[in-house]
Amino acid sequence: GENVEQHPSTLSVQEGDSAVIKCTYSDSASNYFPWYKQELGKGPQLIIDIRSNVGEKKDQRIAVTLNKTAKHFSLHITETQPEDSAVYFCAGSLNQAGTALIFGKGTTLSVSS
Amino acid sequence: SQTIHQWPATLVQPVGSPLSLECTVEGTSNPNLYWYRQAAGRGLQLLFYSVGIGQISSEVPQNLSASRPQDRQFILSSKKLLLSDSGFYLCAWSPGGSEYEQYFGPGTRLTVT
Repeated sequence: GENVEQHPSTLSVQEGDSAVIKCTYSDSASNYFPWYKQELGKGPQLIIDIRSNVGEKKDQRIAVTLNKTAKHFSLHITETQPEDSAVYFCAGSLNQAGTALIFGKGTTLSVSS
Repeated sequence: SQTIHQWPATLVQPVGSPLSLECTVEGTSNPNLYWYRQAAGRGLQLLFYSVGIGQISSEVPQNLSASRPQDRQFILSSKKLLLSDSGFYLCAWSPGGSEYEQYFGPGTRLTVT
């Protein structure tokens, strides 16, 4: 089955710097890769996703890249702000009805001003 | 727009007591529904998913069960709680069809004492 590994587990940056979180997956059949942001005590919020037919996707300060050959994908946050501080999770799935998302263990991002 | 509700928000229950957590989705029809558990400091683990009324698939053997009595209602139950059942329980939905993004509810914090 699918296994998703996420690094680093914690990341501290200064406001305005960029942050990069990386994930690798094991199942080459996986073709859908979402990223979630979870604030303390709340449910995860979908912030961006990418499908295997796309190499890169961008939404304002957030971008995700996918390397299918190497089976890894990354989240890039530019011009970080204190409100970006949260736990970020990557996930992978087969993008079929009812298919589970397999999550990484999360990255705690701290942005200091 | 679609909204997902979970209740209760927090719950403290003694070992051996029963459990019932409820999840409802508004603004969509025939969603796929999911129950995840998040242990402290860990990622999310899929417990159950449902692609239709009365259709439940279990991902992890445990003393929990799930039911879907109505199209937009998903219930997580247990007859006798264990200490190890403590955690943050999250319900999620996806539109189905060709759209597989999953959206999470606010979660229920369960503490078994």
